Amino acid sequence: DAKTTQPPSMDCAEGRAANLPCNHSTISGNEYVYWYRQIHSQGPQYIIHGLKNNETNEMASLIITEDRKSSTLILPHATLRDTAVYYCIVTYAGNMLTFGGGTRLMVKP
Amino acid sequence: EAGVVQSPRYKIIEKKQPVAFWCNPISGHNTLYWYLQNLGQGPELLIRYENEEAVDDSQLPKDRFSAERLKGVDSTLKIQPAELGDSAVYLCASSLEIDNEQFFGPGTRLTVL
Repeated sequence: DAKTTQPPSMDCAEGRAANLPCNHSTISGNEYVYWYRQIHSQGPQYIIHGLKNNETNEMASLIITEDRKSSTLILPHATLRDTAVYYCIVTYAGNMLTFGGGTRLMVKP
Repeated sequence: EAGVVQSPRYKIIEKKQPVAFWCNPISGHNTLYWYLQNLGQGPELLIRYENEEAVDDSQLPKDRFSAERLKGVDSTLKIQPAELGDSAVYLCASSLEIDNEQFFGPGTRLTVL
């Protein structure tokens, strides 16, 4: 599976958009980009995934660059409850998830 | 719908003692995963089950760790004997078939003294 690079931490003001970047320059054509998050003392929670096209669901939007070497997870209106570690994972469909260190997002009032 | 259930939530034991963790996946989910998460790190896969069959256990330290999923539903992860370095959170997840959209339980926090 391709490796990912994420900033170790980010801050965001409550109510503003949180944009979490992820670099995956070695991604192959059939690998998907998955995002999970882990709130303190809980198990990871699936957020969204995509292959080539941008995706949106009730939780977030995923923007994947045309060359697929990077992506951005967007939380449009961050709340204090969005404070968590966000993991970007690149993997083939049906393959195992390999979690890196993630980005620790702190949403501040 | 109930999520993935794990018990106990916390366990404190002395080194060299045995310990067991239990997981009940979401109803209908055929695939079950056990992960280990050390403090400040992401989860690491220990074993993956497809129904009763362990399809990926390459990361499971087989000298002291064992797992079973006898009827293809609940699963148990055991450590015998526990070592100080086994202190971590043990997470269980399940998915419908082999799928990357996995649903995680709250985990069991193990402390080995």
